[in-house]
Amino acid sequence: SQKIEQNSEALNIQEGKTATLTCNYTNYSPAYLQWYRQDPGRGPVFLLLIRENEKEKRKERLKVTFDTTLKQSLFHITASQPADSATYLCALGPGTYKYIFGTGTRLKVLA
Amino acid sequence: DTAVSQTPKYLVTQMGNDKSIKCEQNLGHDTMYWYKQDSKKFLKIMFSYNNKELIINETVPNRFSPKSPDKAHLNLHINSLELGDSAVYFCASSQEYGTDTQYFGPGTRLTVL
Repeated sequence: SQKIEQNSEALNIQEGKTATLTCNYTNYSPAYLQWYRQDPGRGPVFLLLIRENEKEKRKERLKVTFDTTLKQSLFHITASQPADSATYLCALGPGTYKYIFGTGTRLKVLA
Repeated sequence: DTAVSQTPKYLVTQMGNDKSIKCEQNLGHDTMYWYKQDSKKFLKIMFSYNNKELIINETVPNRFSPKSPDKAHLNLHINSLELGDSAVYFCASSQEYGTDTQYFGPGTRLTVL
């Protein structure tokens, strides 16, 4: 069955450093991969979308890579700030016209 | 100017009751979704509607019945609530079906006692 794995443990980093979050998947060949941010008590908010024929996508301090051979996406936040603290979800799709979400990685940026 | 809104924000009820959650989007999107997020934060799709037509029904008990009176609204009615239904329910919408960015509502935290 399709499986998405994100590091379930929290990631703590110092302010100013680069945070790198991992999304691994199996038994799936997604055409798209999205990253969302979720703050406590709120709904996920879209950050970036990357297509299977794209290796890398950037938006301000965010960078996403998509390696279909390794079946992995990396999500980077450069010059991290305490305000970046949140849970980050990856979502793969479309599979039978829907996205499948990972369980997310909680990031905490320490001042 | 809330893009996707849900009511209520919190819902506490007894086992066996029937309840509804309402969702409205003002983005002009064609597709709307219901997701369930459990205590482990796993976000799982329940239903997807495109232009008021049901597209996806993900092995959800038939106690859950979505209703889409128009493209801007997708309500979720739950009959005979069970303890295991306790979760956060999110409504979402997207411009296109299946491939587009999804915009999520703030969620409804349902607690069944």
